[in-house]
Amino acid sequence: DAKTTQPPSMDCAEGRAANLPCNHSTISGNEYVYWYRQIHSQGPQYIIHGLKNNETNEMASLIITEDRKSSTLILPHATLRDTAVYYCIVSHRSKSTFGDGTTLTVKP
Amino acid sequence: DVKVTQSSRYLVKRTGEKVFLECVQDMDHENMFWYRQDPGLGLRLIYFSYDVKMKEKGDIPEGYSVSREKKERFSLILESASTNQTSMYLCASFRGGGYGYTFGSGTRLTVV
Repeated sequence: DAKTTQPPSMDCAEGRAANLPCNHSTISGNEYVYWYRQIHSQGPQYIIHGLKNNETNEMASLIITEDRKSSTLILPHATLRDTAVYYCIVSHRSKSTFGDGTTLTVKP
Repeated sequence: DVKVTQSSRYLVKRTGEKVFLECVQDMDHENMFWYRQDPGLGLRLIYFSYDVKMKEKGDIPEGYSVSREKKERFSLILESASTNQTSMYLCASFRGGGYGYTFGSGTRLTVV
């Protein structure tokens, strides 16, 4: 599975959009991009995934570049409850590696 | 929705005890995993299983074993608990084709 690179931490003002980047330059054609988040002391929670096209659901939007080497998770109106560690992984099968993720802190 | 249920949210065990952590998923996923998570170390894979009675070592299998007698249940066993196994343990199941992982809520194990 391809490896991902994420910034270790980011801040965002409450009510603003949070844009979390992820680099996955070695992604192969059949690998999906998944985003999860983990709030303290809980298991990681699925947010969104995509293969080639941009995706949107009730939680977030996922923008994947045309060459698929990077992606951005967008939380359109961040709230204090969105403070968490966000993981980007790429995989077409199981046994993916979870990196350290990005710690997003939403500030009032 | 897929549910992954871990039998205990918190456990306290004594050094040397044999400890069983149970995990059950309800969506017939073939792939199941055990991770441990420690501050500053992220999620580290202990063992995983692609099918009933099949198991493979992850990155940190020492001191652990697993059992998968039924598709829905994946057990992690600490043969002789030690204080350095104090950690958060997370179970997950996985379905390919874009479905990804579903995690349980975790078991916080303290070995004293």
